[in-house]
Amino acid sequence: EAGVTQFPSHSVIEKGQTVTLRCDPISGHDNLYWYRRVMGKEIKFLLHFVKESKQDESGMPNNRFLAERTGGTYSTLKVQPAELEDSGVYFCASSQSSWTGKVSQYFGPGTRLTVL
Amino acid sequence: GESVGLHLPTLSVQEGDNSIINCAYSNSASDYFIWYKQESGKGPQFIIDIRSNMDKRQGQRVTVLLNKTVKHLSLQIAATQPGDSAVYFCAEIPNTGFQKLVFGTGTRLLVSP
Repeated sequence: EAGVTQFPSHSVIEKGQTVTLRCDPISGHDNLYWYRRVMGKEIKFLLHFVKESKQDESGMPNNRFLAERTGGTYSTLKVQPAELEDSGVYFCASSQSSWTGKVSQYFGPGTRLTVL
Repeated sequence: GESVGLHLPTLSVQEGDNSIINCAYSNSASDYFIWYKQESGKGPQFIIDIRSNMDKRQGQRVTVLLNKTVKHLSLQIAATQPGDSAVYFCAEIPNTGFQKLVFGTGTRLLVSP
């Protein structure tokens, strides 16, 4: 079974430019999450999709970040315009739905974003 | 790797030793906990999980212990191997109705041959 995949693996852009990150979850996983680690900090939650709907976007830092999951399959995270403090590693994770409660989240390899 | 700039506690062990990695979690209302392993250049890899109605769970070479009284979680790795060298994170999901993971800062495990 293929794991969570993310594209690109690295992105280097200049301040003010736009970048779009893509995540393909494990097939059949309704839940998709975005997390990020900025330099010197812990991994922090950004948002959670259930199928195509945003279940929890409490971790989104500001309105320069836009996440979409049209069709409930892959997701994109757009940063526009990018700022220096957005540099870090952006992780995507997915999990199955469960009626019994919380389930394990499986992570992709991450996209390393560098804003110059 | 992603840990550059992150000041991590480090545990150094010899190959074959047992390792114990500790984690203090923050929210007494958390009811689900996961240990992840992260190798350089890779994403966090699921190791083992435990729910708050348990105090111990065993996997292959790993055991997780949960002490809710003192909000403490530990990961025990038996017969540690060089391939176990990585950063280990505990993560919790608070009982808020949402699924977001709250990560600890991590511990770097170094295994010498």
